[in-house]
Amino acid sequence: QKEVEQNSGPLSVPEGAIASLNCTYSDRGSQSFFWYRQYSGKSPELIMSIYSNGDKEDGRFTAQLNKASQYVSLLIRDSQPSDSATYLCAVNMGGGSYIPTFGRGTSLIVHP
Amino acid sequence: DVKVTQSSRYLVKRTGEKVFLECVQDMDHENMFWYRQDPGLGLRLIYFSYDVKMKEKGDIPEGYSVSREKKERFSLILESASTNQTSMYLCASSLLAGNTDTQYFGPGTRLTVL
Repeated sequence: QKEVEQNSGPLSVPEGAIASLNCTYSDRGSQSFFWYRQYSGKSPELIMSIYSNGDKEDGRFTAQLNKASQYVSLLIRDSQPSDSATYLCAVNMGGGSYIPTFGRGTSLIVHP
Repeated sequence: DVKVTQSSRYLVKRTGEKVFLECVQDMDHENMFWYRQDPGLGLRLIYFSYDVKMKEKGDIPEGYSVSREKKERFSLILESASTNQTSMYLCASSLLAGNTDTQYFGPGTRLTVL
């Protein structure tokens, strides 16, 4: 069974610190990787997508992909209380699938 | 901006009722999805559709059906609601059948079945 694993948390970091969120996936043929942010009571919204090995930066967010280790991470620099949310990792598995498999999410708490 | 709307934010129904959840997207997306989200279980795919009148079962289709008569509208139907269908229901859409697709989510419908 194709799986996406995330630590449920909560991950608690002080304001201004770097928050590191991790995700592993089971299908070595996976090609597309997404990070969604979901505030309590709201729907998920896309933060980052990454398709090739290495880092991809967008403002305070950096996605890191290592296909050999089947590992994708999201770094949030200068964390703010407004970053407190659940972060969902989603992976489009191999075979050209456009149906993402979602992890269960990691709860992040940024405290002042 | 892509906009996905759902007919209700909150809905309360009684066991055995037939329930319709409507989803509309305004960006001409081919693909539409219905998920339910429960604490500790994450997002689970119920049904999806890649074209008008086409539908495919997701991971948990039992107790649900769907309808897609127009490209912009995807309906989820609970033929006879049960208490274990109390959940947050999320609709999503995406543009193309490619693996770089991004899903855009509606605001969700929190359904309570009494």
